[in-house]
Amino acid sequence: DAGVIQSPRHEVTEMGQEVTLRCKPISGHDYLFWYRQTMMRGLELLIYFNNNVPIDDSGMPEDRFSAKMPNASFSTLKIQPSEPRDSAVYFCASSLWRGSYNEQFFGPGTRLTVL
Amino acid sequence: GESVGLHLPTLSVQEGDNSIINCAYSNSASDYFIWYKQESGKGPQFIIDIRSNMDKRQGQRVTVLLNKTVKHLSLQIAATQPGDSAVYFCAEMGSYGQNFVFGPGTRLSVLP
Repeated sequence: DAGVIQSPRHEVTEMGQEVTLRCKPISGHDYLFWYRQTMMRGLELLIYFNNNVPIDDSGMPEDRFSAKMPNASFSTLKIQPSEPRDSAVYFCASSLWRGSYNEQFFGPGTRLTVL
Repeated sequence: GESVGLHLPTLSVQEGDNSIINCAYSNSASDYFIWYKQESGKGPQFIIDIRSNMDKRQGQRVTVLLNKTVKHLSLQIAATQPGDSAVYFCAEMGSYGQNFVFGPGTRLSVLP
């Protein structure tokens, strides 16, 4: 398996523009997570899905952020409109439920810079 | 690559020495813990895990110790190598039973 795939790897945009980050989880995994990593806050969980259904989005900063998972092999994280404080590395991770425990596999991340 | 924090605690060790990285967790109800390694420009990578019914677990060159009384985890790396230089995060299973809560991380620097 190729692991979790994220695109683009780097994104530079101007304030006010819409940004869409993409993720392909590992085939067969039933959980998908979106994280944000910044120097100030470290790793933060934004939202996670189970079987394509959003379970907990309490980490989503505000209404400018939205995430979808239309099928088991694809998810998007959208920021509209983007702001400079959204600049961060965004990670997608997936896992397979194994009873009470599961290991998350992370993608390489998307580095977002909002000017 | 990405910088995970200018204010991370840093541990510097000589190549060949043993490293001990510590982590305090917050939720006494957490029952699963993982150590992750993050190299520059990459996503976190699983190293080793431990369940709350265990005090110690060993892997290849790594050992995790869990002290539930004081809510403390440690990661021991034997014979530290240059390739071990990275940021190390501990994570605990959160209250929803799925998502993990990550600690702030420790930067390990291996000196030649």
